This record gives sequence, structure tokens and C-alpha cells, in this order.
Amino acid sequence: AQSVTQPDIHITVSEGASLELRCNYSYGATPYLFWYVQSPGQGLQLLLKYFSGDTLVQGIKGFEAEFKRSQSSFNLRKPSVHWSDAAEYFCAVGARGSQGNLIFGKGTKLSVKP
Amino acid sequence: SQTIHQWPATLVQPVGSPLSLECTVEGTSNPNLYWYRQAAGRGLQLLFYSVGIGQISSEVPQNLSASRPQDRQFILSSKKLLLSDSGFYLCAWRGGSHEQYFGPGTRLTVT
Repeated sequence: AQSVTQPDIHITVSEGASLELRCNYSYGATPYLFWYVQSPGQGLQLLLKYFSGDTLVQGIKGFEAEFKRSQSSFNLRKPSVHWSDAAEYFCAVGARGSQGNLIFGKGTKLSVKP
Repeated sequence: SQTIHQWPATLVQPVGSPLSLECTVEGTSNPNLYWYRQAAGRGLQLLFYSVGIGQISSEVPQNLSASRPQDRQFILSSKKLLLSDSGFYLCAWRGGSHEQYFGPGTRLTVT
């Protein structure tokens, strides 16, 4: 069965500092991988997605993520965090050939210090 | 372009009352549709999904039901709400590459 682990429940970084949010997945083959962001009281917004090909994926708002098959990881990065990036971030995995259902991690809340 | 709507945005209901939450999608046809519930610190729980009109799959046994009376309409219902039904309910539709796009959500408080 698929599963997604986001080891960090809450991370605080200073504005302008770099960011890396961790995501590990469990799946027998290469899955579809996604990162979403959620601001308080709002729906989830898709940041980026990986299906195949280049393992470094660029997304919106200056985010990128790298798929590492050997580590079963899909970590999200941003070189310089802005105060507006404070939100909750969810990693998700989907099985190829399935109904399209996604499994979500429990999320990482990002706080940004001025 | 595609958009997804949910209403109401917030709802406060007493225990034992009925529930109806609505989700509609514009700009696409025959989408896969999903209902999730989000509780604090517990991530997203998939409740129901639908691959077409009248086709509903339930992921967890619970006090809720779902229906899809039209191609782009997905309804979440309950006959009698429980306190444990409180939460943030999200509707989503699936894009062409398995990504899902979410609506703005409904905050339900059962008192």
C-alpha cells in the first residue's frame, strides 16, 4: 500500500533563508508525486508535480522539488523564503494506472520569522 | 479555464440535524470528483470519489453519504450530524495528469 511521510510537523525559518521540506513515500514502483500548499481556511493549491523524466521539478512561487528514487523522497525546496510562504505544505503520492486517488502526508506547517 | 465552487463556505449545525454540502465544477466534463475531510493535525482523509454520474465509491464507513446527480455536481450529505463530523470539507476534481484541484472548502461546526 502507498504511504507518505512528512517527518516535520512544524518548521520555522527566517525570511530570506533557504527552505527544505521533507517527504518520503512508500510505493512499489515510480509514483506520481505532488506538493500542495494551504493557507489558513483555504483550499489546497498545487505547487508542482512529478510524473517522469527530469527528477528536478520546477513549480510556482519559486519552489522546486527533487525526486530521488534511491531514497524514496520528494523534498520541496526554495532558495529564499518570503513571509507570504507561511502556510501548511502537503506532499501527495498517486499510483499509476489507478483511479487517480492520491495519498496525502499529514502536512508540515511553515512559519517565517521576520 | 476550470473552476470549482463549494458552498456554503461555513456552516454551524446542531447535532442530529441534516447536512448538504455542494460542489460544482466548471470548464471540464466528466471529471473524477473527490470529497475530503480535514481535521487539525490529521491531514486529508478521502471520504468519497466519483468517476461519473451516479457512481460513488466510499473510502471509509461513516455517517456521511455522497451523490452525483449531474456530471459536474457532487453533493455530500448526512441525515443526522454527529459532533465528530465537524471539520473542513474539501471537494476536488482530477486533471489530465492525476493532479487534483481543490475548491475553497466548507468549514462545518457541529454543536
